[in-house]
Amino acid sequence: DAGVTQSPTHLIKTRGQQVTLRCSPKSGHDTVSWYQQALGQGPQFIFQYYEEEERQRGNFPDRFSGHQFPNYSSELNVNALLLGDSALYLCASSLTRNEQFFGPGTRLTVL
Amino acid sequence: GQNIDQPTEMTATEGAIVQINCTYQTSGFNGLFWYQQHAGEAPTFLSYNVLDGLEEKGRFSSFLSRSKGYSYLLLKELQMKDSASYLCAVFFTGGGNKLTFGTGTQLKVEL
Repeated sequence: DAGVTQSPTHLIKTRGQQVTLRCSPKSGHDTVSWYQQALGQGPQFIFQYYEEEERQRGNFPDRFSGHQFPNYSSELNVNALLLGDSALYLCASSLTRNEQFFGPGTRLTVL
Repeated sequence: GQNIDQPTEMTATEGAIVQINCTYQTSGFNGLFWYQQHAGEAPTFLSYNVLDGLEEKGRFSSFLSRSKGYSYLLLKELQMKDSASYLCAVFFTGGGNKLTFGTGTQLKVEL
């Protein structure tokens, strides 16, 4: 049984560019949450998708958008990248309010 | 806000016991998780507390007092591999399946 998978593992972009990160949830899970984790900090909630809709959103600008597909996989898009967007982006999947299983993350570096 | 406070760093000796504390805003509390995160890796689930008391799981135990807005993670018989960041995360009412994380406690286990 595959756990949560994310791609790519690492990514380097320059300021102003756009990036798409991908996540496949654990088998049987229908809810995907995205978090941003800066170095030395705890993860910060970006948004959550359930039934292909954004259900919750954290304190992130509209440059951060997402999508959930019928197979429950999800994408995180970030437009007009800033240096401060450099972080580890974590995807977590869950079934209702249960333990959230985290993927290995995508390390994004913005130069 | 929904602040979650935990110490930034702790150091302990191999074979010893260490207690990592976490305090949080009691209003809207709906459950607390502890995660372990090794450098560069995804957080992994350790424990979930929703009722008062102690939950024991092998070398790790977690305690919750809802009236005091307080939890701790107790690690016994410390091993070098326990050196990691320990994240306290809370479900708040109205937050759906969204977790609010503390900044994490970096534990260093020494010989």
